[in-house]
Amino acid sequence: QSALTQPASVSGSPGQSITISCTGSASDVGSLNYVSWFHFRPGTAPKLIIYEVSNRPSGVSDRFSGSKSANTASLTISGLQAEDEGDYFCSSYTTATTVLFGEGTTLTVL
Amino acid sequence: QVQLVQSGAEVKTPGASVKISCKASGYSLNTHCMHWVRQARGQGLQWMGILDPSLVRPTLAERFQGRITLTRDTSTNTVYMELSGLTSADTAVYFCARSKLRFMEKDVWGHGTTVTVSS
Repeated sequence: QSALTQPASVSGSPGQSITISCTGSASDVGSLNYVSWFHFRPGTAPKLIIYEVSNRPSGVSDRFSGSKSANTASLTISGLQAEDEGDYFCSSYTTATTVLFGEGTTLTVL
Repeated sequence: QVQLVQSGAEVKTPGASVKISCKASGYSLNTHCMHWVRQARGQGLQWMGILDPSLVRPTLAERFQGRITLTRDTSTNTVYMELSGLTSADTAVYFCARSKLRFMEKDVWGHGTTVTVSS
């Protein structure tokens, strides 16, 4: 199974909004609502920021939001802050009962 | 406090095996699944497999079948991932991550264990 497709990098200035896409197929993103997003930063354990397409875990800022259309899920971060920098990965459960991850997107706050 | 504490970095020669531990605290392994995920330098995440306490056998990603062994020790609340036949392509950071059910979100992750394969 191929990885989910994400842009390699995105950037934005503090206060701006950015959106990261995650494209899969009808066997994963397109047919299941088990899409998650994770934030990776050096020196810290990865952090879950969105689950089941658009739900935020307790403690995650409402600046983070998720959505899905057809085979593509999206993560939007509004009001960018320096602490948002890092790598973002999407993940989807598949109809084959396996898990796929995205290739990862590096966010730079200018 | 729920956390996953992984074993330390490993350096292995090609052809060797590595066994990484992931000790869970703040909850019981019997109540959650445990995934293993790896990230090679500069690359995306690869899902390796899952230990589901409701199933007898782990579910493994096809690319790792025959090389990976996932086990758990309920007496110490620790899971293990052993990868054999190491090559330089296995140089990566390996993570354990839990989920309530196999299809649900991975809500707690370990910090990762770096495995370097070099002659």
